[in-house]
Amino acid sequence: AQRVTQPEKLLSVFKGAPVELKCNYSYSGSPELFWYVQYSRQRLQLLLRHISRESIKGFTADLNKGETSFHLKKPFAQEEDSAMYYCALSTQGAQKLVFGQGTRLTINP
Amino acid sequence: SQTIHQWPATLVQPVGSPLSLECTVEGTSNPNLYWYRQAAGRGLQLLFYSVGIGQISSEVPQNLSASRPQDRQFILSSKKLLLSDSGFYLCAWSVGSGTQYFGPGTRLTVL
Repeated sequence: AQRVTQPEKLLSVFKGAPVELKCNYSYSGSPELFWYVQYSRQRLQLLLRHISRESIKGFTADLNKGETSFHLKKPFAQEEDSAMYYCALSTQGAQKLVFGQGTRLTINP
Repeated sequence: SQTIHQWPATLVQPVGSPLSLECTVEGTSNPNLYWYRQAAGRGLQLLFYSVGIGQISSEVPQNLSASRPQDRQFILSSKKLLLSDSGFYLCAWSVGSGTQYFGPGTRLTVL
């Protein structure tokens, strides 16, 4: 079965420091990977998807099929990046997403 | 533009009482619809999804059920709530297997 693992439930870094939120998946085919974010008192929303290959709010994520990973990175964290982040996987032919457990990121001033 | 609504926003119910949460989508036709539960420390758990009217797929055995009486309406129900049903319930929609768009959620507390 497909699975998404986010090994860190909590991650705390200082403002200006680099951030990396880890995501590993298990799926033998060609996956589509997403990062969703939920800021305080806001709806869960899409941050980025790997097929778009774009940088959103300074975040990037590269799909590494060899390591089955899709880590989210930002070189310089900002306080407004504090939020709950979820990695998600969609598989060919499926009509649903598989979400990881989420990582709560806190940026300290 | 597309919007998704959920109500109520918060609900406090006694154990054993029934439940009905409603989700509606505007601005799109034949969306895929989803019910998730977000529990503290347990991430997002997919409960049900629907690819069309009357078509419901259940992901987790439980005492909850879902129905889709209209194209853009998705209802989550229970005949008798359990304490373990407490949580934050999210509805979402998508076009096919693409990006999912989430509603504001319903906070359910079962006492």
